[in-house]
Amino acid sequence: EVQLVESGGGLVQPGGSLRLSCVASGFTFSNYWMSWVRQAPGKGLEWVASMNQGASEKYYVDSVKGRLTISRDNAKNSLYLQMNSLRAEDTAVYYCARGGVTAGRFDYWGQGTLVTVSS
Amino acid sequence: DIQMTQSPSSLSASVGDRVTITCRASQSISSYLNWYQQRPGKAPKLLIYDASSLQSGVPSRFSGSGSGTDFTLTISSLQPEDFATYYCQQSSSTPRTFGQGTKVEIK
Repeated sequence: EVQLVESGGGLVQPGGSLRLSCVASGFTFSNYWMSWVRQAPGKGLEWVASMNQGASEKYYVDSVKGRLTISRDNAKNSLYLQMNSLRAEDTAVYYCARGGVTAGRFDYWGQGTLVTVSS
Repeated sequence: DIQMTQSPSSLSASVGDRVTITCRASQSISSYLNWYQQRPGKAPKLLIYDASSLQSGVPSRFSGSGSGTDFTLTISSLQPEDFATYYCQQSSSTPRTFGQGTKVEIK
């Protein structure tokens, strides 16, 4: 059974940093593109970033470029999102999802982790 | 960026009803269109990919059609567990973009 489990969310002040993690199981992690998708409270879905299997290709939505960084460790079956210079508008539930660019659909999702940026 | 527009934004329907949700892309995306269901407090779930392919394990009452700029998601006979919000998403280019969602409520 495919499982994606996120962690690392919490309350952070504007300008602060946070690192999200996603641990994958039930499939060969190193064979898949992986992504982060977020959802602000009461709002719709927004794609944030995607990374290919070997970590050589990364794509970001313009609003996070230079502040959020996607990475992965295939030996640990883990995906990460380093979040710096956080803003109030980054407040959202962050989902880890399998898929991204070559297979453009997101076929499995984690349960999400809430990031709240507030003073 | 490709803009995705869904209609309606919400609808009320009864169990057993046929429901159709539309999604329009701001430019042609061929058949690179996916549909998701999100129940309250839960993660999204992939229903349909590449406009009309049913994801494994998804009931056959869900179907998708369309190509180019206009797409539809149809639920042939609405069930109690189908009351949720539905999103379309284009996979033709980055940034990947979603529609604003269609909330299906109980009449």
